[in-house]
This record gives sequence, C-alpha cells and structure tokens, in this order.
Amino acid sequence: AQSVTQLGSHVSVSEGALVLLRCNYSSSVPPYLFWYVQYPNQGLQLLLKYTSAATLVKGINGFEAEFKKSETSFHLTKPSAHMSDAAEYFCAVSGTKTSYDKVIFGPGTSLSVIP
Amino acid sequence: DVKVTQSSRYLVKRTGEKVFLECVQDMDHENMFWYRQDPGLGLRLIYFSYDVKMKEKGDIPEGYSVSREKKERFSLILESASTNQTSMYLCASSLRPPFGAYNEQFFGPGTRLTVL
Repeated sequence: AQSVTQLGSHVSVSEGALVLLRCNYSSSVPPYLFWYVQYPNQGLQLLLKYTSAATLVKGINGFEAEFKKSETSFHLTKPSAHMSDAAEYFCAVSGTKTSYDKVIFGPGTSLSVIP
Repeated sequence: DVKVTQSSRYLVKRTGEKVFLECVQDMDHENMFWYRQDPGLGLRLIYFSYDVKMKEKGDIPEGYSVSREKKERFSLILESASTNQTSMYLCASSLRPPFGAYNEQFFGPGTRLTVL
C-alpha cells in the first residue's frame, strides 16, 4: 500500500529564509510524486511533479523538489520565502500505471512566513 | 485555463437532510473526483468517475453516493446528513492519461459543509 508522511504539521520561517518541507513516501512500485499548494479558501493547485525523468524537479513560484529513492523522500524547498508563500502544502503519491491513478495525499504542512 | 466550479462555498444543513453537492468542469475531462478534507488527515477520496454513468468507490464511500449523467458534471449526494460529515469537500477533474502517464488533477474551490 502506498502512503505519505509529512514531517511537521506547521512550519514557520522568516521572510527571505530557506523553506524546507519534508515528505517521505512508501510505494511498492516506482512512484509518481507531487506537491500541491492550497491558499486560504481555495482549492489545491499543482506546484510540481516527479514522473521518473529528472530527479530534481522545478515548479512554479520558485519551488523545487528532489526525488531521493534511497531515502524514499521528496522534500520541497525554496531558497527565499515570500509572504505570499504562506499556505497549506500537500505531498502526494501515485504509482499504478493505469488509466486512472489513485493519488494518496499526505496530511499537509501549514507554512507561515514571518515578516 | 481549466475551471472547476462547485455549487456552493458554504453550506449549513441539519442532521437527516439530503444534501447535494454539485461540481462542473469546463475542459472535457474524463475523470472526476470527490474528496473530503479534514485537518491532519489530508484529502481522502470518496468516489471517482472515469466516464459518464461510471463510478468507483474511493477510500471512504460510506454515507455518500454520486451521480454522473453528463461528462462535465459530477454530483455528490449525502442521503441523510450526519454531524460527522461536517467537512470541506473538494471536487477535482483530470484527463484520462495514456497508459503509463499521469495527468494533473484540477481542483475546485471547495464546499465547506456544516451539519448541525
């Protein structure tokens, strides 16, 4: 069975500081991995995805994530936090290569940015 | 841009009422999904549909049913609402990918349902 864990339900960083949101997954097959962002009172928006091409994936708004198979991790980073980055972030995994991929979401990490 | 709309942003219902949540997407996507979102639990799949009149149970289908009579519309039905169904409900849609590929899910803004 696939699962996703996100270390830290709440993370606070200062404006301009490094953002690091942690995600670990379990999957019995090579996974597809995703990060979604949810701004207040909105639905989820895809930040980036790993689909077995490059292990370092660049997304929107300056975010990137690195797939590390040996660590079963897919941590999300951004070099310099901006106030507009305050949101809920969800890591997700899917892995069956069928016409429909069931996506398993992690519990989410709420990011606060302190001015 | 893909647009997924949900009929209500906020809804308050009483225990035992029948509740309809509507979702419409405008990009001719084959797949549509209903999730519920609860703090600390992330998103949990209730039902999904990969074609008109087709439906599959997700992880937590109990107490819910769905209807997909048209490709663009996917309805979630709570036959008899209960207080433990108070939650945020998110609808999503995606293209049906070719074998071995993945297509992004596009989400609506959510409906926050309160059952009293």
